[in-house]
Amino acid sequence: DSGVTQTPKHLITATGQRVTLRCSPRSGDLSVYWYQQSLDQGLQFLIQYYNGEERAKGNILERFSAQQFPDLHSELNLSSLELGDSALYFCASSATGGPYEQYFGPGTRLTVT
Amino acid sequence: GESVGLHLPTLSVQEGDNSIINCAYSNSASDYFIWYKQESGKGPQFIIDIRSNMDKRQGQRVTVLLNKTVKHLSLQIAATQPGDSAVYFCAENGPDDKIIFGKGTRLHILP
Repeated sequence: DSGVTQTPKHLITATGQRVTLRCSPRSGDLSVYWYQQSLDQGLQFLIQYYNGEERAKGNILERFSAQQFPDLHSELNLSSLELGDSALYFCASSATGGPYEQYFGPGTRLTVT
Repeated sequence: GESVGLHLPTLSVQEGDNSIINCAYSNSASDYFIWYKQESGKGPQFIIDIRSNMDKRQGQRVTVLLNKTVKHLSLQIAATQPGDSAVYFCAENGPDDKIIFGKGTRLHILP
């Protein structure tokens, strides 16, 4: 158990809908990272927040957004969902702003039908 | 659990032998590299890291080698065990702190 929690574990929704994925980092960690993992694209870095502020941005679509709250939990919002958004979404946390030694959560499996 | 990367390259190694997993990274400006292990149905797990000012780092049963000249990273696992069976990813911390993952290699342990 990494100490990072993600909810929900599974999510099934229809095209065009909007969903919110939630992540709680390990106690004391200030950075949260979001990743998308699909069979054809592998692991893709989406975005990083550090102590409430956006720190680094990867291949995140404009339809997706994230935020980190004062209690350091984070949410990833996915809107206007398409079939191709079906994937595993992982959250990871690390103690500092650097990418060092990230701890991954168990992931949320999103299925768009 | 669910399989990740069904069409990944696979390395088959006899139990007890050493495993060497290779990775070519993309950006010569990357300053930090990490190896992750992902077991079926789980999130990636940190194994070992190395900064660009080093060429070798050892952990418990694992060694990472970095060759910046050819942008190559390798992970060596000594005395491979059944529990080492997983998909292994290298990752680099690129410009603007964008983290770039490799495609992954599946390690299969032969009894």
